[in-house]
Amino acid sequence: GDSVTQMEGPVTLSEEAFLTINCTYTATGYPSLFWYVQYPGEGLQLLLKATKADDKGSNKGFEATYRKETTSFHLEKGSVQVSDSAVYFCALSAGVSGSARQLTFGSGTQLTVLP
Amino acid sequence: DTAVSQTPKYLVTQMGNDKSIKCEQNLGHDTMYWYKQDSKKFLKIMFSYNNKELIINETVPNRFSPKSPDKAHLNLHINSLELGDSAVYFCASSQGAPGLNEQYFGPGTRLTVT
Repeated sequence: GDSVTQMEGPVTLSEEAFLTINCTYTATGYPSLFWYVQYPGEGLQLLLKATKADDKGSNKGFEATYRKETTSFHLEKGSVQVSDSAVYFCALSAGVSGSARQLTFGSGTQLTVLP
Repeated sequence: DTAVSQTPKYLVTQMGNDKSIKCEQNLGHDTMYWYKQDSKKFLKIMFSYNNKELIINETVPNRFSPKSPDKAHLNLHINSLELGDSAVYFCASSQGAPGLNEQYFGPGTRLTVT
């Protein structure tokens, strides 16, 4: 079945450091890929997405590129801020033509940014 | 205006009880979902529902049942609560067919079974 593997956390960085959170996937069909973010005490919010190979999703300084050859969708940000502290989830949506799609999430990566 | 709202935010109850969690979305979306997030933050879909079909994750016990009085609401009923049901439950909604588009999540309901 479909699955998403994320690098395990927690990840602790200093402000302005470079961030990479690795994500790889296994899926049937042609998945769409997502990064969601969960701030403390809140529900998930979509951070960015990519729907086909080589697409780059970007938002709020975060980027991720859909790499079909390596089945990866790594999240990057050049300079993190304290306000980026949250749990980050990689997810995919896939389904064989004619069947319903559903989101499959990775295990989440806790990011803490220190001032 | 809150896009996806859930009530209650916190729910503490004893084993064996029956409880419900309510969810409402004001986005005009076609599809609604319930997710369970365990203590390690792992998220798992329980149900997706639109006006055409209910899709149930096969691992969900039949003590859990979604009920949709109308397109904007999807409530979650849980019978005979067990300790292992303690978790945060998230409602979400999206436009179009299940899983196709961005999902908007509610703030969550933290259920504690004692």
